[in-house]
Amino acid sequence: DARVTQTPRDKVTEMGQEVTMRCQPILGHNTVFWYRQTMMQGLELLAYFRNRAPLDDSGMPKDRFSAEMPDATLATLKIQPSEPRDSAVYFCASALWGRGYTFGSGTRLTVV
Amino acid sequence: GESVGLHLPTLSVQEGDNSIINCAYSNSASDYFIWYKQESGKGPQFIIDIRSNMDKRQGQRVTVLLNKTVKHLSLQIAATQPGDSAVYFCAENMAQGAQKLVFGQGTRLTINP
Repeated sequence: DARVTQTPRDKVTEMGQEVTMRCQPILGHNTVFWYRQTMMQGLELLAYFRNRAPLDDSGMPKDRFSAEMPDATLATLKIQPSEPRDSAVYFCASALWGRGYTFGSGTRLTVV
Repeated sequence: GESVGLHLPTLSVQEGDNSIINCAYSNSASDYFIWYKQESGKGPQFIIDIRSNMDKRQGQRVTVLLNKTVKHLSLQIAATQPGDSAVYFCAENMAQGAQKLVFGQGTRLTINP
């Protein structure tokens, strides 16, 4: 089965450090999403791309978060500097023209 | 942030019984809805979807019902099994070209043996 691959699976970092999370979407999918999941807020949409172009990043704290798609096989989410409140599970998902949304297994981030 | 609300945070049913999970969505312009299942330590897994031009769709042991009049979505699981224990999320795809999938808070379903 085609799958969305996320790395790393787990990340523990100290406050103030830069964190980069990576996502390999399903080959051929043209839309990539980044979500954050916490107990308090549930699944929040941070940003999404269509054909590698950012369409909406209104859910993302602009001062410290950035999302990019260097090419069609890689999406990145970067936090600099990281803070304890960023601790969460970050999911990447991909879809083709609004169908077939498939999620990766997530990156569990802990900022201490 | 934006959210799709759920009526119940937890639901327990006996193995073999049917379960119904409800969801109220917020945007009357949403044109596509998905139910996801999330098991501990895993990402959300697609279960079934429905477009706004339909009011019912059936899959294997699952049925989704859509009531646009009251902006309500439900997931029916027939003959529940222990493997159905998970958190279930409804999600709405915002229309008007936005293609944003917004999730509800989730309902934890527990299947009792």
